[in-house]
Amino acid sequence: AQKVTQAQTEISVVEKEDVTLDCVYETRDTTYYLFWYKQPPSGELVFLIRRNSFDEQNEISGRYSWNFQKSTSSFNFTITASQVVDSAVYFCALKGGGATNKLIFGTGTLLAVQP
Amino acid sequence: SAVISQKPSRDICQRGTSLTIQCQVDSQVTMMFWYRQQPGQSLTLIATANQGSEATYESGFVIDKFPISRPNLTFSTLTVSNMSPEDSSIYLCSVEIDRPFSYEQYFGPGTRLTVT
Repeated sequence: AQKVTQAQTEISVVEKEDVTLDCVYETRDTTYYLFWYKQPPSGELVFLIRRNSFDEQNEISGRYSWNFQKSTSSFNFTITASQVVDSAVYFCALKGGGATNKLIFGTGTLLAVQP
Repeated sequence: SAVISQKPSRDICQRGTSLTIQCQVDSQVTMMFWYRQQPGQSLTLIATANQGSEATYESGFVIDKFPISRPNLTFSTLTVSNMSPEDSSIYLCSVEIDRPFSYEQYFGPGTRLTVT
């Protein structure tokens, strides 16, 4: 069975603080894919990143960075110097290696950035 | 990526009626999906919309309640039939871009449905 756990239901920070959103996954597949999505109050789901299981290199994109650790089955997301526009629900998702495997979403973390 | 539009963006419907949601993509894609997001919840896959054949439904979702059409590679519809207040949700379509081993899904803006 495949599962994604986002233990942080809600996080509140003050603008300019750094914040890390946790994601722990479970899968028996040796090949799999991990994703992060952002859902602002408008409701649209915005794709942020995909990571393949065979590529453990961490990634940085502007103020966003992702830490993928297979040893702990985690794919954490850090926002540096947070801004009010970062306020949203963030979903971590997993897709197994088979072509027919569906995308499994975590329960999401609501991030509120206060001015 | 892909540009996806959905109609309507929101609707308020009476119990017992049906609503058809349209999803249009700006390019041809093989894989299209329909999701439901109940208030304050995560996304749940309803079905995969297959072009030229019947949709593939997930456990707990049936064709009589959620009929899906996929007449071509850029368009799909989802109908929510005989609605009840429990159907109040955001319904999202998504597409998986046709790039080997990418599996990136892009989502439409969603349809916010309220059933009274």
